[in-house]
Amino acid sequence: KAGVTQTPRYLIKTRGQQVTLSCSPISGHRSVSWYQQTPGQGLQFLFEYFSETQRNKGNFPGRFSGRQFSNSRSEMNVSTLELGDSALYLCASSPTVGGNTIYFGEGSWLTVV
Amino acid sequence: SQQGEEDPQALSIQEGENATMNCSYKTSINNLQWYRQNSGRGLVHLILIRSNEREKHSGRLRVTLDTSKKSSSLLITASRAADTASYFCATDAGTASKLTFGTGTRLQVTL
Repeated sequence: KAGVTQTPRYLIKTRGQQVTLSCSPISGHRSVSWYQQTPGQGLQFLFEYFSETQRNKGNFPGRFSGRQFSNSRSEMNVSTLELGDSALYLCASSPTVGGNTIYFGEGSWLTVV
Repeated sequence: SQQGEEDPQALSIQEGENATMNCSYKTSINNLQWYRQNSGRGLVHLILIRSNEREKHSGRLRVTLDTSKKSSSLLITASRAADTASYFCATDAGTASKLTFGTGTRLQVTL
């Protein structure tokens, strides 16, 4: 079956703009989580959704938000973009919460200029 | 914040040799997972080891877990050029799908 699908793969935005990234989990997976990867901070957890509810949130400002739809697809939004938001944003899915193998997508490369 | 460190930060070996990477973490865990990341790509899941397991094998991969030392190791036997990538360990506390990652080891396998 298809893996975790993220769109778009690459995008360039200007400071102050906002961006929305999309993630389709593996079919049947109900838990979706998001991570930010930068050279300086490494891989950091953003948030996790299960059954349309945010279960966990990482230590990121309120400009970072997300949501999950009834079909388990998820979106994350970053408002008022800053140069430091340039990163690879990775989405991951698992069947349920806790104790499962977690599968990642190819990521969305965001460059803020 | 990072859960812990991976050692070494970078490793260069020749094809056919074995590669060993170590991961240390700070807090109690439920599971530990290893991932591979090729440059600019997503994370590929390699293996999951639960806190009550000490060793797991998958093909050329062998993972050990020592919860008393809060450490894990990943051994890749008979390395190939295609194994060139960054390798990350990630832990979870079991009640969520929140992973905390190590800093990663960059493996370079040369012909």
